[in-house]
Amino acid sequence: EVQLVESGGGLVQPGGSLRLSCAASGFRFSSYWMSWARQAPGKGLEWVANIKEDGSEKYYVDSVKGRFSMLRDNAKNSLYLQMNSLRAEDTAVYYCVRGGERGSDYWGQGTLVTVSS
Amino acid sequence: DVVMTQSPLSLPVTLGQPASISCRSSQSLVYSDGDTYLNWFQQRPGQSPRRLIYKVSNRDSGVPDRFSGSGSVTDFTLKISRVEAEDVGVYYCMQGTHWPATFGQGTKVEIK
Repeated sequence: EVQLVESGGGLVQPGGSLRLSCAASGFRFSSYWMSWARQAPGKGLEWVANIKEDGSEKYYVDSVKGRFSMLRDNAKNSLYLQMNSLRAEDTAVYYCVRGGERGSDYWGQGTLVTVSS
Repeated sequence: DVVMTQSPLSLPVTLGQPASISCRSSQSLVYSDGDTYLNWFQQRPGQSPRRLIYKVSNRDSGVPDRFSGSGSVTDFTLKISRVEAEDVGVYYCMQGTHWPATFGQGTKVEIK
């Protein structure tokens, strides 16, 4: 059974940093693109970033480019999202997603990030 | 970015009756490989999104056959043949043909 378990969310001040983690199990992690998506409270869904199977390619939406960095550790079946210079508009539930934009299928349960003073 | 427009945004339905959600894209969703990367997701209250349909009309494993997807190029539809209580939630279309992937605003399905 595919499982994606996010962690690392919490309350952070504007301008602060946070690192999200996603522990993957139930599939061959190193064979899949992985992604992060987010959902602001009471709002719709937004794609955030993708990373290739071997980590050699990464893509970010414009709103997070230069501030967020996606990493993966295939030996640990883990995905990470380093978020710097956080803004109020980054407040959202962040989901770990198996697959890239063309092949996304499973989503984790999400972790809430709140950016507020 | 490709704009995905869903209608209606709210859909009250009687149990056992059909429901239909429309999704239109601002650009063609046909990718260079010939496939059309249009997915449908269901998000039940308090849960994460679950993919129902991929590449326009392919049902994911475990998805009841009352759900069906159709359409082409820029015009797509999700149909529920007979709505059940467990179908309550928000439904999103999503395009993965163009970067970045984008979603429709969501259609809230509720029981009358």
